[in-house]
Amino acid sequence: AQKITQTQPGMFVQEKEAVTLDCTYDTSDPSYGLFWYKQPSSGEMIFLIYQGSYDQQNATEGRYSLNFQKARKSANLVISASQLGDSAMYFCAMRALGDGTASKLTFGTGTRLQVTL
Amino acid sequence: GAVVSQHPSWVICKSGTSVKIECRSLDFQATTMFWYRQFPKQSLMLMATSNEGSKATYEQGVEKDKFLINHASLTLSTLTVTSAHPEDSSFYICSAAWVGTNTEAFFGQGTRLTVV
Repeated sequence: AQKITQTQPGMFVQEKEAVTLDCTYDTSDPSYGLFWYKQPSSGEMIFLIYQGSYDQQNATEGRYSLNFQKARKSANLVISASQLGDSAMYFCAMRALGDGTASKLTFGTGTRLQVTL
Repeated sequence: GAVVSQHPSWVICKSGTSVKIECRSLDFQATTMFWYRQFPKQSLMLMATSNEGSKATYEQGVEKDKFLINHASLTLSTLTVTSAHPEDSSFYICSAAWVGTNTEAFFGQGTRLTVV
């Protein structure tokens, strides 16, 4: 079984500052992928960044980076230079990587980020 | 990234009626589609996994006779909420994937269902 824990229900950050959203996970799968999604008030799920469990380097996508610490089972999202448009719900998720068939995503409870002026 | 289109984006229906939600993959063949449900201020909970041409696999606690899922083609899956009740009011969202997909799951825009 997989479990994702996001301990921050809400976070505030000032515009242009960096913010870290925490995510820890638990799984018995030897190979897995970790994801972060942004969900604005409209409800759509926007893919932000992906980290494979065997990737040696931390993933980066523009202003998003993933601080992957495998031994600690953590996959924190770092958003640099926050913008007002970053205000949204953020979900950490994971899936097992097996034989190439798509497997379901397990989501955390989410963190609501509010960017202030 | 690949495009998944979900329709309708919102729907209001009367208790006792059925509602069909469509999920289409527009530029790829989706061998697997996932249906999630999200209550206000909560996370996404997987309802079922459907593979093209076969019966959907439902998560524990999800009534398969109430939430009918059809995945008849590689580009279309439908979720039908039968005999809807107010407690079925929720946000429903699909995602689509193909064999070999590991790095992303592509989501539809979601459907907000209100049963009155």
